[in-house]
Amino acid sequence: ETGVTQTPRHLVMGMTNKKSLKCEQHLGHNAMYWYKQSAKKPLELMFVYSLEERVENNSVPSRFSPECPNSSHLFLHLHTLQPEDSALYLCASSQEYWAGGNTIYFGEGSWLTVV
Amino acid sequence: RKEVEQDPGPFNVPEGATVAFNCTYSNSASQSFFWYRQDCRKEPKLLMSVYSSGNEDGRFTAQLNRASQYISLLIRDSKLSDSATYLCVVNSGANDYKLSFGAGTTVTVRA
Repeated sequence: ETGVTQTPRHLVMGMTNKKSLKCEQHLGHNAMYWYKQSAKKPLELMFVYSLEERVENNSVPSRFSPECPNSSHLFLHLHTLQPEDSALYLCASSQEYWAGGNTIYFGEGSWLTVV
Repeated sequence: RKEVEQDPGPFNVPEGATVAFNCTYSNSASQSFFWYRQDCRKEPKLLMSVYSSGNEDGRFTAQLNRASQYISLLIRDSKLSDSATYLCVVNSGANDYKLSFGAGTTVTVRA
């Protein structure tokens, strides 16, 4: 069983909908990440939180809004998305924020389809 | 130039064969290197770290060539279960442990 769980696993939403992706890590880690993975492309880092503080926002459109209420939970709020936002969204965690020797652990991902 | 580049494949090999592929990285100051495995419609999982002296984990051997800035992964005695996409992961530079991912190399092992 993965130490990082994501819900929902699959989501289909219209361009005018508002939905949220949820991530929970059970590893006691201090850093959490959102990645986007599109077909045949490298993982794109979206947001990084360290100890509940957002430390990176990599030019992500404002229609994606992260929230980290505590070090174990991470949300990605979605609104007015575009069809090109359809992708696999991966949550991940690591012991510390970009520290040497860290291993990054991924959740199973949320498959998002925007129609 | 992309930070991490991989041959997308696919590498189609019969069971029992050996398959090897490389990954090139652009930053000569990178210090941490990893191979992740991603099964179809699943999340990436750490396969192995890559050490300067090279390292083995069972049928998997990883090598680092700093002079030419590439890492390699070799799979011996391929199994059907080795079919996956292998992601090359490299840190951004000296004392910068932000990770950059390659797009992956797909390996398909056939019976």
